[in-house]
Amino acid sequence: LAKTTQPISMDSYEGQEVNITCSHNNIATNDYITWYQQFPSQGPRFIIQGYKTKVTNEVASLFIPADRKSSTLSLPRVSLSDTAVYYCLPQGAGSYQLTFGKGTKLSVIP
Amino acid sequence: GAGVSQTPSNKVTEKGKYVELRCDPISGHTALYWYRQSLGQGPEFLIYFQGTGAADDSGLPNDRFFAVRPEGSVSTLKIQRTERGDSAMYLCASSLIQGENTEAFFGQGTRLTVV
Repeated sequence: LAKTTQPISMDSYEGQEVNITCSHNNIATNDYITWYQQFPSQGPRFIIQGYKTKVTNEVASLFIPADRKSSTLSLPRVSLSDTAVYYCLPQGAGSYQLTFGKGTKLSVIP
Repeated sequence: GAGVSQTPSNKVTEKGKYVELRCDPISGHTALYWYRQSLGQGPEFLIYFQGTGAADDSGLPNDRFFAVRPEGSVSTLKIQRTERGDSAMYLCASSLIQGENTEAFFGQGTRLTVV
C-alpha cells in the first residue's frame, strides 16, 4: 500500500484559497487518488478523485502532476464550514479497502 | 433512508459486557464496510462484506469482534467481553463496488465508550 504524507494541520482565513498537498511516492500504477472530508462527530465524506492532471467538481479541484508522486487538493474561497479533517488516499481501481492516514486538520478563521 | 444509518449513535457499556452496533446501508449497495476510529486518528478498516459474506475480515483486532450481514443488507458488529481499549467511534460505510470510482458513503458512526 502506498504511504501518504500530509501536513498535520493548516490554518486559513475565510475567503482564501487553500491548497493541501499529499505525498505518495510509491503509488501503484493503477491507483487513483481519492480525498475525503470529515467533520467532527461525522463519518468521512467523499470529495474528489483523480488519476492524473486536473479534476474539478463543484466542491474542489485536484491537481496530480505527471509523476503522480503527489497531489494537491484545492478548495476555492473557504468558509468556516470547511473546517474539517481532509484525508488523501491512494485507491486501487475497484478496490474496496480505504486506508486512511491521520489527515490534515484545516481550521478556517473568521 | 437516503444515507447510511447507524444505531445507536452513542453507547456506554461496562467493561466485560457484550455490545451490538447496527448499520443500515444505502439501499442497493452490495458492499458494506466497518471501520474504527480513535481520537486523533484516521478510520481503520475492520471488515468488508460483499453481499452476505465477509470477503475480508483481516482488520478485526481479535476474536472478541464479529460481524454479520445475514440478508445482504443490515449488518451488526458484535463485541464480546468489551475492554476499555475498545472505546472508539465505529463507522459503517456502503458502496456500489462496480467500476473504477468506488465512492464509499459513511454513516454518522456509533461512539462506543467502555467504562
